[in-house]
Amino acid sequence: EDQVTQSPEALRLQEGESSSLNCSYTVSGLRGLFWYRQDPGKGPEFLFTLYSAGEEKEKERLKATLTKKESFLHITAPKPEDSATYLCAVQGSNRDDKIIFGKGTRLHILP
Amino acid sequence: DTGVSQNPRHKITKRGQNVTFRCDPISEHNRLYWYRQTLGQGPEFLTYFQNEAQLEKSRLLSDRFSAERPKGSFSTLEIQRTEQGDSAMYLCASSRLNPGANVLTFGAGSRLTVL
Repeated sequence: EDQVTQSPEALRLQEGESSSLNCSYTVSGLRGLFWYRQDPGKGPEFLFTLYSAGEEKEKERLKATLTKKESFLHITAPKPEDSATYLCAVQGSNRDDKIIFGKGTRLHILP
Repeated sequence: DTGVSQNPRHKITKRGQNVTFRCDPISEHNRLYWYRQTLGQGPEFLTYFQNEAQLEKSRLLSDRFSAERPKGSFSTLEIQRTEQGDSAMYLCASSRLNPGANVLTFGAGSRLTVL
């Protein structure tokens, strides 16, 4: 069965302090790995899709990378407005086509 | 395109009552997903539709839960005989049908509190 494990559960950083969030996954045939951002009381908002090992995507201070077993979301020089929960999800090649989410990493950037 | 709309945004009910949530997806999206999210957890898959057909339902979903998408447009999620453990945020998402990966667009969610 497809599984997604995210670490750490929570992370507090000073403004400008770069770090990385980890997403380890098990899936039978990866169709896509997704990163979403979720603010309190709101639905998740799409950030990136990665399709194959070695792929990288960037958006402002965020960069997502993918290997055969894990993905990293690198955040460079974060600002307080980057504080949110970051969710990783996978979609496998199974017939059922489900998209499975991890528990997320709660990121808090201190000014 | 007004995005994915969910109603009601908040529902407080007493244990044993039935509740229904509605989701209006993005109009050109074929697929519609329901997830449940509790505090500190990621979204948990419940079920999804391709047009009006319900293609997959989570084994975790008890018989008290039922979802419909009668004309392939809006969807409803009904919970019968609610229990306190049903308290959660119920998220709806929609996507285009792609041969590759399906990017989900989420609504703001419907928060259920069962007293």
